[in-house]
Amino acid sequence: EVQLLESGGGLVQPGGSLRISCAASGFIFVSYGMTWVRQAPGKGLEWVSSMSADGVTYYLDSVKGRFTISRDNSKNTVYLQMHNLRAEDTAVYYCAKVKATSEWYFDYWGQGTLVTVSS
Amino acid sequence: ENVLTQSPGTLSLSPGERATLSCRASQSVRSNLAWYQQKPGQAPRLLIYDASNRATGIPVRFSGSGSGTDFTLTISSLEPEDFAVYYCQQRTSWPVTFGGGTKVEI
Repeated sequence: EVQLLESGGGLVQPGGSLRISCAASGFIFVSYGMTWVRQAPGKGLEWVSSMSADGVTYYLDSVKGRFTISRDNSKNTVYLQMHNLRAEDTAVYYCAKVKATSEWYFDYWGQGTLVTVSS
Repeated sequence: ENVLTQSPGTLSLSPGERATLSCRASQSVRSNLAWYQQKPGQAPRLLIYDASNRATGIPVRFSGSGSGTDFTLTISSLEPEDFAVYYCQQRTSWPVTFGGGTKVEI
């Protein structure tokens, strides 16, 4: 059974940093791309960043230069390091597994971790 | 950026009725479109990919159609558990984008 478990969310001040994690199990992690999608309170889904199985990264323009996606295949974990956080980054952050190579659909999702940027 | 516009914003229906949801892309996505269902307090669930293929375990009452810029998600006969928000998503070009969602309510 595929499971994705996010952690690391919390309250951070504007301009601060936070790293969130997603521990994966139930599939061959090294073979799949991973993605972060966020959802601001009461709003829709917004793609944030993806990393392919071979390490190619993609970012939403508004987070480029501030966020970094990475993965540790030995720990079956994907990370999102966030710097210079803004109020508009406040959201539930979901990690999701990419369905197949170059098929950027997301077939399994974690339950999300809430990041709140506020003073 | 390829903008996806979903309509209507809210669809008010009763169990047993047919639901028809629309997603329009600002640029062609060929057939590279997915649909997701999200219930309150839950993560999204993949329903349809490549415009018309049901994901694993998705009931046959869910079907997708369309190509290019116009797509439809149809729920043939609404079950009580189908009342939720539905999002479309394109993967043809970066950034990956989602539509704004359609809420299906009783």
